[in-house]
Amino acid sequence: DVKVTQSSRYLVKRTGEKVFLECVQDMDHENMFWYRQDPGLGLRLIYFSYDVKMKEKGDIPEGYSVSREKKERFSLILESASTNQTSMYLCASSLGGRASTYGYTFGSGTRLTVV
Amino acid sequence: DQQVKQNSPSLSVQEGRISILNCDYTNSMFDYFLWYKKYPAEGPTFLISISSIKDKNEDGRFTVFLNKSAKHLSLHIVPSQPGDSAVYFCAASASRNNDMRFGAGTRLTVKP
Repeated sequence: DVKVTQSSRYLVKRTGEKVFLECVQDMDHENMFWYRQDPGLGLRLIYFSYDVKMKEKGDIPEGYSVSREKKERFSLILESASTNQTSMYLCASSLGGRASTYGYTFGSGTRLTVV
Repeated sequence: DQQVKQNSPSLSVQEGRISILNCDYTNSMFDYFLWYKKYPAEGPTFLISISSIKDKNEDGRFTVFLNKSAKHLSLHIVPSQPGDSAVYFCAASASRNNDMRFGAGTRLTVKP
């Protein structure tokens, strides 16, 4: 059963901490994505990557960075966590080429609370 | 500025009746549209899609309609079942891109 695995289901961090959210996929997908889900706003794209060591900004990259050193792993980094980064974070992956052709496979999400 | 909009945050229907979920988009470059379904504590899962060269795509109880001139699509579920209760996200993508934009979601409740 192919899947996208997010390392933590729930996280509580303090303001100012550096936070790492990890995502691993076992489908040999080229593309990987990080979204955050907030009530009334839906899923908003933070960053995505279409190849190892490549990254592209999404709609809301401020306060975040990403790392993709290996094809199967895509990390989201909150450099200095703030309370407005409290959210559900969803990782997704897809085959290369047009993502829409194949759709995305999502992880189960990480609920991050910054206090 | 949201490029994909779902203006109804919630919808409640009776089991056996039709559920109609609506979605509007603003970016004329979008040419592929998808619907995802999300249960609590799970990631969204792909449900059905449609290319801009079509105006209808059907898969069992699920049908998606696309009106390009109005930049509007809808998802019809007939007949609705209690297990369909979930949040439904509309998503759109442009041909050249690897990324997708999502709407805010509509929470569907199907009552027995």
